[in-house]
Amino acid sequence: DVKVTQSSRYLVKRTGEKVFLECVQDMDHENMFWYRQDPGLGLRLIYFSYDVKMKEKGDIPEGYSVSREKKERFSLILESASTNQTSMYLCASSLGFSGLDTEAFFGQGTRLTVV
Amino acid sequence: QKEVEQDPGPLSVPEGAIVSLNCTYSNSAFQYFMWYRQYSRKGPELLMYTYSSGNKEDGRFTAQVDKSSKYISLFIRDSQPSDSATYLCAMITDSNYQLIWGAGTKLIIKP
Repeated sequence: DVKVTQSSRYLVKRTGEKVFLECVQDMDHENMFWYRQDPGLGLRLIYFSYDVKMKEKGDIPEGYSVSREKKERFSLILESASTNQTSMYLCASSLGFSGLDTEAFFGQGTRLTVV
Repeated sequence: QKEVEQDPGPLSVPEGAIVSLNCTYSNSAFQYFMWYRQYSRKGPELLMYTYSSGNKEDGRFTAQVDKSSKYISLFIRDSQPSDSATYLCAMITDSNYQLIWGAGTKLIIKP
């Protein structure tokens, strides 16, 4: 079974802090994604990566950056946390870009609260 | 207008009822259609997957795609309290690389 593991289930951070969210997958997937999920808005893509050291902006990249130094690990960085970044953050991975290879395997999510 | 529209609910039905969950979309190039189920405090998991038009059945679940109407449905027969979850539709074209997601419908099955 594919396993995607996020480093924290719950985080509380202060406004202005630099926040790191870590994600590791164990199935040698090429693609990794960071989403945030908010009630009524569904999943919104922040960034994705299709290879080591490669990254692409998603729909809402402002205020975020990412790092992928190894294939299995994809980190999301909040440069200066703000209260409007309070959300559920979901990491996902997928095998490829075609057909069922696009199936996304998700971690359990990190609920981040910025106070 | 969003590319994929999905009523967020909540949808509350009694146990044993037939449930119909729906998404509409605007991009006629979508070819792959997925339904994910997300339990509370968990990540989404793939439930059903269909390619192009038609029906697909898996146990109590049926996924239906009507490309002429740009409309997809997920039917749940004999619904159980354990089916209570948020159901998200997702779709992708042949040439794109990004799944496009609906907002998710929260389903509550009352015992």
